[in-house]
Formats: sequence, structure tokens, C-alpha cells
Amino acid sequence: DAKTTQPNSMESNEEEPVHLPCNHSTISGTDYIHWYRQLPSQGPEYVIHGLTSNVNNRMASLAIAEDRKSSTLILHRATLRDAAVYYCILRDQGAQKLVFGQGTRLTINP
Amino acid sequence: GAGVSQSPRYKVTKRGQDVALRCDPISGHVSLYWYRQALGQGPEFLTYFNYEAQQDKSGLPNDRFSAERPEGSISTLTIQRTEQRDSAMYRCASSSQQRTAGNQPQHFGDGTRLSIL
Repeated sequence: DAKTTQPNSMESNEEEPVHLPCNHSTISGTDYIHWYRQLPSQGPEYVIHGLTSNVNNRMASLAIAEDRKSSTLILHRATLRDAAVYYCILRDQGAQKLVFGQGTRLTINP
Repeated sequence: GAGVSQSPRYKVTKRGQDVALRCDPISGHVSLYWYRQALGQGPEFLTYFNYEAQQDKSGLPNDRFSAERPEGSISTLTIQRTEQRDSAMYRCASSSQQRTAGNQPQHFGDGTRLSIL
């Protein structure tokens, strides 16, 4: 699986939008971009994924660059419960396993 | 509906003992995965099953580790002759099967915290 690069940590304020970046310059045409998050003392939780087009769901939005070499996870209105480690993962269409990197530790200030 | 269930939540055992960790996936999920997570790190893949067939065990650290899923539902990860370095959080995940696996989310359980004394 191709590698991703994320900032080690980010900080934001409650009720403000959060933009979590991910660089994946070596992405291949069959790689899906997945985002998971892990809240303290819990297992990873699926957030969103996409291939080429931007995606929206009840949790977040995923903005994918036109060249697919980067993406941004958008939390539209952060709450304290969004404080977690966020993982950006590339996953080939045929790949079963997830390969986790270090992720971005997001801190939300009240 | 019920999520992925793992038991026990905590397991403390002496070095040299065998341990068995259980995973009950989401009902109807065909694929089941085992990961291991060290403190402060992301989960690391161990093995996965489609139905009862173990498709990939490339992540198992050595031959003391084994897994089975005999009826295509519940899975057991067994560690024989445990060592202190086996101490970690062991996580199970499941997913429903689609033609393109990369397009399918995985749903994780809360894990089993294994401590080897």
C-alpha cells in the first residue's frame, strides 16, 4: 500500500470547522482513500472513504485533489467528542488489510 | 445492531501460558480481520479470513500465533507459550464482502488488552 503523510498533531476549537490534510503523492489509480479515527480507549472507527470524487456523509466530508495526490478530511463543526487520532489510509481496490500510519492527533479546545 | 464483540476485554497471564482471544463479528459479515496495537501506535495487521478460509496470515509474528474461524463466524486468535513482548491490544474487525475489497469499510471491536507477566 502506498504511504501517506499527515501532521503529527492539530488543534482546533469547539464548534469550528477542522481541515485534516493528507498527502499521498504516490497514489495509484486503484487506491481508495480511507479515513478512520480512534477515540481514546476505543477501537478504530470508519469515517469516510472515496476514490476520485468528493464525498459527504453524516460524520464528515472528504475533499480529494484533482490529481489525487492529496486529500482533506473536513469536520464541519467540531465537538469535544471529535478529539481523536485520525488515520488517512490508502487501500488498493483488491487489498483486504488496512495499513495504519501514525495518524494526526486532533485536540479540540472548549 | 450489535457491533464486533471481543472477549475477554482484559487478559493477564504468566509468561509461558497459552491464551485464546475470541472475536464475534457483525452478523452476516463475511470477512474478519485480526490486528495488534502497541501503545501509541496504529493497529498492525495480523491475519484475515473470508468465511472460514484464512486468506492471509502474513502478519502473524511467528508460529506461536495462530487463528481459526471454523464455521465462518466466530474466530479465535491463539498465542502459545506467551512472552512479555506479546503484551498489546488485540483488535478484531469485520466487513461485508464486495467485489472490490478496497471499497469496503472495516468495523472494529473494542479489543482485548493482553498483559504477559
